[in-house]
Amino acid sequence: NAGVTQTPKFQVLKTGQSMTLQCAQDMNHNSMYWYRQDPGMGLRLIYYSASEGTTDKGEVPNGYNVSRLNKREFSLRLESAAPSQTSVYFCASSEDKMAFFGQGTRLTVV
Amino acid sequence: GENVEQHPSTLSVQEGDSAVIKCTYSDSASNYFPWYKQELGKRPQLIIDIRSNVGEKKDQRIAVTLNKTAKHFSLHITETQPEDSAVYFCAASDDYKLSFGAGTTVTVRA
Repeated sequence: NAGVTQTPKFQVLKTGQSMTLQCAQDMNHNSMYWYRQDPGMGLRLIYYSASEGTTDKGEVPNGYNVSRLNKREFSLRLESAAPSQTSVYFCASSEDKMAFFGQGTRLTVV
Repeated sequence: GENVEQHPSTLSVQEGDSAVIKCTYSDSASNYFPWYKQELGKRPQLIIDIRSNVGEKKDQRIAVTLNKTAKHFSLHITETQPEDSAVYFCAASDDYKLSFGAGTTVTVRA
């Protein structure tokens, strides 16, 4: 039982490059989330998926897109990376509001 | 949307003393209030939560209190130990989304 698994753990991108962060959960949770964490700002919600087949914008969605591929997988895509997107990204899944996080992806955009 | 404020931003306590972290929220519809602990370089981990039909909840050395009228909730850690040193986040939710406070860095001095 791995819980929530994110790949990759580290990534360096050049400005303008694109990439997809992958997330998978094996807890059979309905809801999944993408957060970004920046120093002194807590965790800010980028996008979420309340259930398979639905996605909604969170607090900071600009520059990102998501895909809920199936119940297990929820990916985050940066189409044209910008230095402002340098951050640690966390995927999470939840059932009855209790959220469990993946180990994070440290992304640097240069 | 929900706005969660957390105080203090840093807290230094002597080993064995108590630590208290306070959070306020803005949306009266919020009904779920979890607390997360994040050690350096690790993922946030749920340590305790409280729902709006409960005023207080305890789990060994940690407790959470909720005052829905005043829209604030607090985390209490008693008999602090070095392993309690971490960043603590409060959060609030009324539906599927968790809104986080900015975090409190707790340092337990030996």
